[in-house]
Amino acid sequence: RKEVEQDPGPFNVPEGATVAFNCTYSNSASQSFFWYRQDCRKEPKLLMSVYSSGNEDGRFTAQLNRASQYISLLIRDSKLSDSATYLCVVITRSNDYKLSFGAGTTVTVRA
Amino acid sequence: GAVVSQHPSRVICKSGTSVKIECRSLDFQATTMFWYRQFPKKSLMLMATSNEGSKATYEQGVEKDKFLINHASLTLSTLTVTSAHPEDSSFYICSASVIVLADTQYFGPGTRLTVL
Repeated sequence: RKEVEQDPGPFNVPEGATVAFNCTYSNSASQSFFWYRQDCRKEPKLLMSVYSSGNEDGRFTAQLNRASQYISLLIRDSKLSDSATYLCVVITRSNDYKLSFGAGTTVTVRA
Repeated sequence: GAVVSQHPSRVICKSGTSVKIECRSLDFQATTMFWYRQFPKKSLMLMATSNEGSKATYEQGVEKDKFLINHASLTLSTLTVTSAHPEDSSFYICSASVIVLADTQYFGPGTRLTVL
């Protein structure tokens, strides 16, 4: 089983729609979770951290479900500029420090 | 956020040559930097952890003699792809965190390597 798994999509949605997707992780000891956004041929950029209590940043809401070992990202009122690949990143500190990336979920927002 | 630069942004080289890629933290000191490669439409793959003043830690399956990492100062790590082959063509990205092993990673803009 992969350490971090994401639905690759693509999610094709019209402008103004809500889109949501998850990222599952295999190590229950994982401690920190992030969503990054990556545009084609660019580096990943931090979108938001994911806190235990869930957090919201404008149109973006992130949730963490430790019992089921997944994080989620919800985008409300989608804009054309939200089209990108969204990567989840999971950090685990046990014997060492480990950064694990999901393969990314592609979102395409159409006019 | 913190700024990480990479140089060059794009390089094309002949098979058999070596290519050096630099990763710099511009406004902070980074005792640890990470190197990744990414194939088209694929996820980032962590190659190695670069530690200032000591040897890099390589991920399983990554040849340390092929991908030489040097972290000579608190703001600079270099990745040298030795005797490059066409299969080494990829997008190479580095990242660093402001606080040692803090969780938020800041990524460099990446280097696109094409080996002919």
